[in-house]
Amino acid sequence: DIQMTQSPSSLSASVGDRVTITCRASQSISSYLNWYQQKPGKAPKLLIYAASSLQSGVPSRFSGSGSGTDFTLTISSLQFEDFATYYCQQSYSTPETFGQGTKLEIK
Amino acid sequence: QVQLVQSGAEVKKPGSSVKVSCKASGGTFSSYAISWVRQAPGQGLEWMGRIIPILGMPNYAQKFQGRVTITADKSTSTAYMELSSLRSEDTAVYYCARDYDSSGIIAFDIWGQGTMVTVSS
Repeated sequence: DIQMTQSPSSLSASVGDRVTITCRASQSISSYLNWYQQKPGKAPKLLIYAASSLQSGVPSRFSGSGSGTDFTLTISSLQFEDFATYYCQQSYSTPETFGQGTKLEIK
Repeated sequence: QVQLVQSGAEVKKPGSSVKVSCKASGGTFSSYAISWVRQAPGQGLEWMGRIIPILGMPNYAQKFQGRVTITADKSTSTAYMELSSLRSEDTAVYYCARDYDSSGIIAFDIWGQGTMVTVSS
């Protein structure tokens, strides 16, 4: 199975900050990388697919980049509603695997 | 818009089975795959398997092979996930999600609300 490792595991930031979350795959996955946001008690929400494509309806302050083994999710200017847990997920091979999550908290 | 609505919470005894349903509305059910993903309390996300209703052929994560059965009923636009030989470690929220295919890259774009399954004696 492909292992996905996110860093950091948790992050404190303020409204208006620029935030970057990193995801590393244990082998090359080309651009088969997606990002999700999850709030407590809710289902995950797709933010970015294919490493850098913004899902319809997702604010443009979210962006993704990378290919191969190293990927980043960037939030250009944090809004209050962005405080949540973020997961990366590879769809290069089954089983599709997720990172362990990055919890973004208010500073 | 496509919506996925799951069945309600379940409490099961160790060794028993649970069957969770996922009903789709507002779209063409058979033309896209449905995946099942679970999340243990306070933990991350774990993909269990998927089915393409029009083909009826499931694909399972090896971890769950022999214990999970995913089916789909095209007539009612409903997918099912049955997990057997339940143990306490199976206590989790179980989600169904639609596979979105972007030039061969699959992402889960629409999710059900989740079904809490508690395994306890």
